[in-house]
Amino acid sequence: EPEVTQTPSHQVTQMGQEVILRCVPISNHLYFYWYRQILGQKVEFLVSFYNNEISEKSEIFDDQFSVERPDGSNFTLKIRSTKLEDSAMYFCASNEGLEPYTDTQYFGPGTRLTVL
Amino acid sequence: GENVEQHPSTLSVQEGDSAVIKCTYSDSASNYFPWYKQELGKRPQLIIDIRSNVGEKKDQRIAVTLNKTAKHFSLHITETQPEDSAVYFCAASWNRYSTLTFGKGTMLLVSP
Repeated sequence: EPEVTQTPSHQVTQMGQEVILRCVPISNHLYFYWYRQILGQKVEFLVSFYNNEISEKSEIFDDQFSVERPDGSNFTLKIRSTKLEDSAMYFCASNEGLEPYTDTQYFGPGTRLTVL
Repeated sequence: GENVEQHPSTLSVQEGDSAVIKCTYSDSASNYFPWYKQELGKRPQLIIDIRSNVGEKKDQRIAVTLNKTAKHFSLHITETQPEDSAVYFCAASWNRYSTLTFGKGTMLLVSP
C-alpha cells in the first residue's frame, strides 16, 4: 500500500538556522498538507497546498515558513530562521482531492525537529 | 474556523471492557469526522471516519456515531485489548480543502 514518506526522521538545528523538511506524498494525490505536533499536544494544521499554490494556512504559518513542490514528487516545508518554539514533530499528509471537504488524509511518519 | 473539544483526556479500562471517547465541534458546516490512533512516536493512523450523511458506522470492534444537531460524535471500542492502548484523536474537516482540526487527544490505557 502506498504511503507518505518524510525525511529526515530527526533534524537537530541551532536557533536562527534554516531547515527544510521533505515529504513525498502518495503519487496520485492532489492535496498536500503540513501539520505540527508539539510534544504531548494535539496535531495542529499549518498549511494546505493544491495546484502549486497555498490553498489555506493557519496563524502559525507566518513569514518564517514557506512550502514548495520543487518537482513532481517532493513537497517541502522550509523554516527560514528557526526558533526554540519551532521544536515539534512535523507531519506531512496528502489526499486524493476527489471529494472536497471529506477526503481521507494519509499522514507521513513525521520529522522530529529539535531547535537548540 | 473550527474548534474541536475531546473528552476524556485519559481513559483507563480493563481488557474486554468498552471504551467511549466523545468530541464536540463548533462549525455546523463541518461534514467529515475522522478518528486517528497514534502510538508513541508514530504517525497518526486513520482507524475510522464518518461523513455527515451517515449517523453511525461500524468496523469490527470500532464504531463511530454522529449527532449533527448536537454537533458531537463519539468513538466506541468494544472488547478492548492491550494493543488498543494509544492516543486517539478526533478531527473535523471544515473547508473544501479538507483541512483537519484535531481534538486534544485521549490516552487510552487497556490493562490486561
